[in-house]
Amino acid sequence: AQTVTQSQPEMSVQEAETVTLSCTYDTSESDYYLFWYKQPPSRQMILVIRQEAYKQQNATENRFSVNFQKAAKSFSLKISDSQLGDAAMYFCAYEPGTASKLTFGTGTRLQVTL
Amino acid sequence: GAVVSQHPSRVICKSGTSVKIECRSLDFQATTMFWYRQFPKQSLMLMATSNEGSKATYEQGVEKDKFLINHASLTLSTLTVTSAHPEDSSFYICSARDRGAFTEAFFGQGTRLTVV
Repeated sequence: AQTVTQSQPEMSVQEAETVTLSCTYDTSESDYYLFWYKQPPSRQMILVIRQEAYKQQNATENRFSVNFQKAAKSFSLKISDSQLGDAAMYFCAYEPGTASKLTFGTGTRLQVTL
Repeated sequence: GAVVSQHPSRVICKSGTSVKIECRSLDFQATTMFWYRQFPKQSLMLMATSNEGSKATYEQGVEKDKFLINHASLTLSTLTVTSAHPEDSSFYICSARDRGAFTEAFFGQGTRLTVV
């Protein structure tokens, strides 16, 4: 079974600084997708960034980028120029290429301080 | 992105009654819908997956007779919590997917169920 591990229950970053959230996963599949979702206090799940396993290039979306290390099964999220609105729970998620079933990590609560 | 609407956002019901939660894809046809449960400060746990016109596939440990899922159309799935008890109180989230059209699933706003 696939598992997703987020080892940082809480992280804190100062506004305008950079923070990296860690995620590791375990799978025997070769084709899969990885996601980072943000859940603000409203609890609406918002997709932050998506990575296809077959792509070597790391995905980037404005201030958000990932460091995808397939061999190490690591998928970290880097948030640059952190903003107060980035404060939220961040969930790493895995989806096999053959099914539409997301497995979520336990989440990392990100605080952004002035 | 596409929009998924979940209703109601909050519901309080008496113990022993049933409550229905709706999940609608507003601007796309959702071939697959998912229902999750989230306890406070915890992750999302998949309860079941439903494909339009088919019976839902439940995850291990989820009671099929308590959590009835219907996916009768390509835009609507419902979750009915039957004979609710206080331990069923939780945050329930749906998501919808059209794998042929989109690269990710879209989530509803969630429903906070409180059973008193």
